[in-house]
Amino acid sequence: AQSVTQPDIHITVSEGASLELRCNYSYGATPYLFWYVQSPGQGLQLLLKYFSGDTLVQGIKGFEAEFKRSQSSFNLRKPSVHWSDAAEYFCAVAYNNNDMRFGAGTRLTVKP
Amino acid sequence: GAVVSQHPSRVICKSGTSVKIECRSLDFQATTMFWYRQFPKQSLMLMATSNEGSKATYEQGVEKDKFLINHASLTLSTLTVTSAHPEDSSFYICSAGGGDRGGRAFFGQGTRLTVV
Repeated sequence: AQSVTQPDIHITVSEGASLELRCNYSYGATPYLFWYVQSPGQGLQLLLKYFSGDTLVQGIKGFEAEFKRSQSSFNLRKPSVHWSDAAEYFCAVAYNNNDMRFGAGTRLTVKP
Repeated sequence: GAVVSQHPSRVICKSGTSVKIECRSLDFQATTMFWYRQFPKQSLMLMATSNEGSKATYEQGVEKDKFLINHASLTLSTLTVTSAHPEDSSFYICSAGGGDRGGRAFFGQGTRLTVV
């Protein structure tokens, strides 16, 4: 079955520290890959997406993600976290025109 | 994690008819529900946000008379696509949040609507 795994339910980092949020998928071929962020009471906001080409994708708010085919991973990174980055982050995949599937989400807490 | 059930998972309807999609939070009270639409090879588009007991807030460009959203209880929100047309064919997904879940949101399985 197709699945998306975000192994970390909750991550806490200090402001200014680097961040990496993990995402693994179980599709046989390369799907379309997305990272979204959601703040409490708000809808999803697209951070970045990967369809093909360069495996290192730049997104908004200083985020980037790297697609690694050999590891079936699409981890999200940010070199220096800001307090405003505290939110919930979702990884999502879609294969061709198939329907989007989400990971369970990772809650990010930023310490002062 | 919490369970959000979306039904039906797939539906085919004739052009001109209406289709209702349900989104239920099974083990928590969802004060807020979001409805999204996914376009092929694109990310999700937020259609509307609904808070229990009040009218939904629609995003710009979404026809509120065509996409009727009801959030009458803390466990159920419905999206009704009225007078559906082939261009309404899409994947619709809900997410539920609020209550005792600390602001987290949980996704339904999605509904693939095909209008013929």
